[in-house]
Amino acid sequence: QKEVEQNSGPLSVPEGAIASLNCTYSDRVSQSFFWYRQYSGKSPELIMSIYSNGDKEDGRFTAQLNKASQYVSLLIRDSQPSDSATYLCAVNKGIKAGTALIFGKGTTLSVSS
Amino acid sequence: NAGVTQTPKFQVLKTGQSMTLQCAQDMNHNSMYWYRQDPGMGLRLIYYSASEGTTDKGEVPNGYNVSRLNKREFSLRLESAAPSQTSVYFCASSEAYGNYGYTFGSGTRLTVV
Repeated sequence: QKEVEQNSGPLSVPEGAIASLNCTYSDRVSQSFFWYRQYSGKSPELIMSIYSNGDKEDGRFTAQLNKASQYVSLLIRDSQPSDSATYLCAVNKGIKAGTALIFGKGTTLSVSS
Repeated sequence: NAGVTQTPKFQVLKTGQSMTLQCAQDMNHNSMYWYRQDPGMGLRLIYYSASEGTTDKGEVPNGYNVSRLNKREFSLRLESAAPSQTSVYFCASSEAYGNYGYTFGSGTRLTVV
């Protein structure tokens, strides 16, 4: 089982719809969770971080974390064509784990106008 | 603000040649990282430096060496390049080691022929 798993997509949604991106992780000691957006040919850009169970909202983005189910998701409301990108889920197990951020392979989102 | 600066942006090497990828950050971050990104493989950690004066291996360290020159700079060296090292290389930094988000540089696209 991969440490961080995401559906590769593509996930296609019409403009104005809600896009839902999902991620599961295998290690229960994981402590912090991040969503990055990566446009084609560009570097990853941090868009959301979440550390505790529940929802965290920032503008059109909402991150959701369920540690019991080892599941983290990203909702994008009112999706725009400019949201078309690959979204990377990343997990950190903390200092004691002796490692850095572990990334999923990403989900490609396509928003059609 | 420059953030994380990587040089060069593009490089073509012949098999067996050596080169150093440079990375510098101006955010006074303590921790720095090198990742490679390959199609279908996602971002994989090569080496990281939790703090100035320390370096540790990541998931795919073979064929690479690193130097944390000072707090700002973290270089990655390929001693004898191989075609399997053809990839996009990203440097990243974070405020500290542990549960912090990373800021990525713009990447180096390396081709080994």
